[in-house]
Amino acid sequence: DGGITQSPKYLFRKEGQNVTLSCEQNLNHDAMYWYRQDPGQGLRLIYYSQIVNDFQKGDIAEGYSVSREKKESFPLTVTSAQKNPTAFYLCASSRTGTSGFTYQETQYFGPGTRLLVL
Amino acid sequence: SQKIEQNSEALNIQEGKTATLTCNYTNYSPAYLQWYRQDPGRGPVFLLLIRENEKEKRKERLKVTFDTTLKQSLFHITASQPADSATYLCALIDRGSTLGRLYFGRGTQLTVWP
Repeated sequence: DGGITQSPKYLFRKEGQNVTLSCEQNLNHDAMYWYRQDPGQGLRLIYYSQIVNDFQKGDIAEGYSVSREKKESFPLTVTSAQKNPTAFYLCASSRTGTSGFTYQETQYFGPGTRLLVL
Repeated sequence: SQKIEQNSEALNIQEGKTATLTCNYTNYSPAYLQWYRQDPGRGPVFLLLIRENEKEKRKERLKVTFDTTLKQSLFHITASQPADSATYLCALIDRGSTLGRLYFGRGTQLTVWP
């Protein structure tokens, strides 16, 4: 069964703590994305990766970090520098990365992780 | 500044009626526009895509139109059902983007009541 998995479903962070959100896909997609969603807000792009070992900052990268060591995995770390981390985090992937780029790619989303601050 | 505006935060209609959702954009040059459905606490799911040179696209009870002169897309659900209740997001791919990344609107929450 192909798809994107995110874990955990809920995550609690203490002040000053770094936490890591997991995102795994078995769709063989090149590109992966992390979004943040706040109530009543659209999806805002945090980081994206077009290919393994490469990633770029999105619109709200401050206080976050990522890695892309494997094609299927794109973990997001919420660092203590992110002062307002409470949100719903969504990971997505799409087929095309740096090669064979087309405009019509749709994105496949995971189920999301809700991060709460204690 | 660049904006994507969806007509209202919430839309309530009676079962069997046609729901029409609006997406207007400013200062984008979209190559494609997409519509997604999002249920509470879940990730968005792709519904339809329409290209800049297409006027209309249909899929079962769904219809999307795209007017680049008005800078607007309309999303229609005909014969609406309570199961259609969800938040609908429009997203576009801008020609100026090297990645083809998606830019999302805030969404319209649709409620279909029996």
